[in-house]
Amino acid sequence: QQQVKQSPQSLIVQKGGISIINCAYENTAFDYFPWYQQFPGKGPALLIAIRPDVSEKKEGRFTISFNKSAKQFSLHIMDSQPGDSATYFCAASAGANNLFFGTGTRLTVIP
Amino acid sequence: DAGVIQSPRHEVTEMGQEVTLRCKPISGHDYLFWYRQTMMRGLELLIYFNNNVPIDDSGMPEDRFSAKMPNASFSTLKIQPSEPRDSAVYFCASSLWRGGYTFGSGTRLTVV
Repeated sequence: QQQVKQSPQSLIVQKGGISIINCAYENTAFDYFPWYQQFPGKGPALLIAIRPDVSEKKEGRFTISFNKSAKQFSLHIMDSQPGDSATYFCAASAGANNLFFGTGTRLTVIP
Repeated sequence: DAGVIQSPRHEVTEMGQEVTLRCKPISGHDYLFWYRQTMMRGLELLIYFNNNVPIDDSGMPEDRFSAKMPNASFSTLKIQPSEPRDSAVYFCASSLWRGGYTFGSGTRLTVV
């Protein structure tokens, strides 16, 4: 059973455009929602994270939007660049130090 | 800090052989995780340790898989005997606080 559902599976965006990746969860005990970025041949790396007491968190061109009532959160990449091409994973955890990952979104930014 | 160090980077072995993957976590991190990544199943948590003690091994697929953490600076994941369906990238990650995982570069295992 997938604890965190992620969409789309793949995404192609023009340079300068906005990339949006969505995730949904059911477990209301989740209280930490990070996003990880993975380049080919590398391990995932923490990109940005949010806790449910805020609805939005922004770091540079990356923004997490969080909707507690809908149990959804999303990653927005503004002014997408070819260097942003990677696989992005959303994740969630509750209490114990154990992250549940989404299935990943392969982002391709076309120059 | 050199980050989480995994070895080997690549491993090709024949079906039935024993495979041992190694991980050195970041010094001071008290959580260590083993994940397996495949195209079909994504990132799967196999087992994790807290202060060298296994906390949850419910993700270990079969008795053929075993993991140990004899001290705070070293962990192994062993597959015996290996099968072609074990082919995947295996990641080790460590963390000091909840959610702040640092992943290694992974071991790409191919069982032929």
